[in-house]
This record gives sequence, structure tokens and C-alpha cells, in this order.
Amino acid sequence: RKEVEQDPGPFNVPEGATVAFNCTYSNSASQSFFWYRQDCRKEPKLLMSVYSSGNEDGRFTAQLNRASQYISLLIRDSKLSDSATYLCVVSQTGANNLFFGTGTRLTVIP
Amino acid sequence: EAQVTQNPRYLITVTGKKLTVTCSQNMNHEYMSWYRQDPGLGLRQIYYSMNVEVTDKGDVPEGYKVSRKEKRNFPLILESPSPNQTSLYFCASSFRGAQSAYGYTFGSGTRLTVV
Repeated sequence: RKEVEQDPGPFNVPEGATVAFNCTYSNSASQSFFWYRQDCRKEPKLLMSVYSSGNEDGRFTAQLNRASQYISLLIRDSKLSDSATYLCVVSQTGANNLFFGTGTRLTVIP
Repeated sequence: EAQVTQNPRYLITVTGKKLTVTCSQNMNHEYMSWYRQDPGLGLRQIYYSMNVEVTDKGDVPEGYKVSRKEKRNFPLILESPSPNQTSLYFCASSFRGAQSAYGYTFGSGTRLTVV
């Protein structure tokens, strides 16, 4: 079973739409959670860390549900520049590795 | 500018010909790591290093070597490349390893093709 599972998409949404991605993780000992963004043929870049109480950064909101072991990312008022692949990432306490999902591809359409 | 620099960006080589992919960071990070990214499999860790002269295997270390003689550099060595090592490789560094809330800083990637 994969450590992190995501719906690969693609999600095609119009500009201004709200879109949500979910991912699930298998290891209940996971303690650190992140969303990364990866543009085509580019390196992943940290979008935001995900905290237990949920957190918001502008148009982006991340939520963590430990009981169900899933993480979500909500993007409001989508922009063309939001088109990318979004990677769900987790790590366990004391681990020296990040476990990456395979990513969810988002295309924002004019 | 804080960054992780990988070279080369693209490399085509033949089976069995030793190669090295270099990685250098200018952020004084102690933790560095190598990942490969393959379609449908996501990023998988090859090796990591917690500090100078401290390295350890990740999830897919077979066929790779690394060294950490200086804090800033973490080269990836393929002693005898094979076609199944054709992949997109990323070097990453972090201030406090996988637990850091600041996440990893990745290099721009090296697209390797072994024929």
C-alpha cells in the first residue's frame, strides 16, 4: 500500500472556480504534512505546511483530519497561474524521508 | 539567492558508463537528499545525508552511491548506469530534515536517459 495516495485528476476548472483536492496517508504515525506545487518539468516547491488546526494562506486553505488520515487543499478564486501538479507530502516522527503522493494535476481554463 | 544547484540538467549516456550528478546548496543546510521521480510512482528517496560524512540509504538506493565530504555538496554517483535508472532526479536540502516546517528546497532537476 502506498504511503500517500492522491487522485491524479486531471481537474479542469474555469478561472474563478473553487477546487478541492484530498489525499490519504497510510501511516498513523505521520506527524508532518505538506502541500507542494510542481510545474511541468520543474522542481517541486513548498506551497504550505499543514497544521492540525488547519491553516490558510491567501486563497489556499489546508486541512488535516488525523482520525480519517486525510489531508485536503482548497483553492479559491482559481487563477490561470494555479495550473500545476499538487503533491501531498507526509513524514513520520524521527523519519529522514518525506513521502510524496503522485500528485493531482490542475488546469485552470480561461 | 538561496538555492540548490544541480548539474547537468540533461544527460544521455550509455549503459555501464560511470557518471556523477553534482548538487550544491548555499544555505548552510545540514540535511541533503536525492530523489528520483518516475511517472505513476512519485518522488522516491535514493539517499540522504544528515551532515558531513553521514549518509544513509533511502527507499531505492540500489545502483547509486553518494558522498558528503563538504556540507554544501552532495554528489550522486552511478557507477554502472542501466536503462532502469532513466529518470528525473532531484537533489533537495533542508535546515532540519524531513520534519522541518520550512520543507525542502529542491534543485532544478537532472533528466537522465540511459541507453
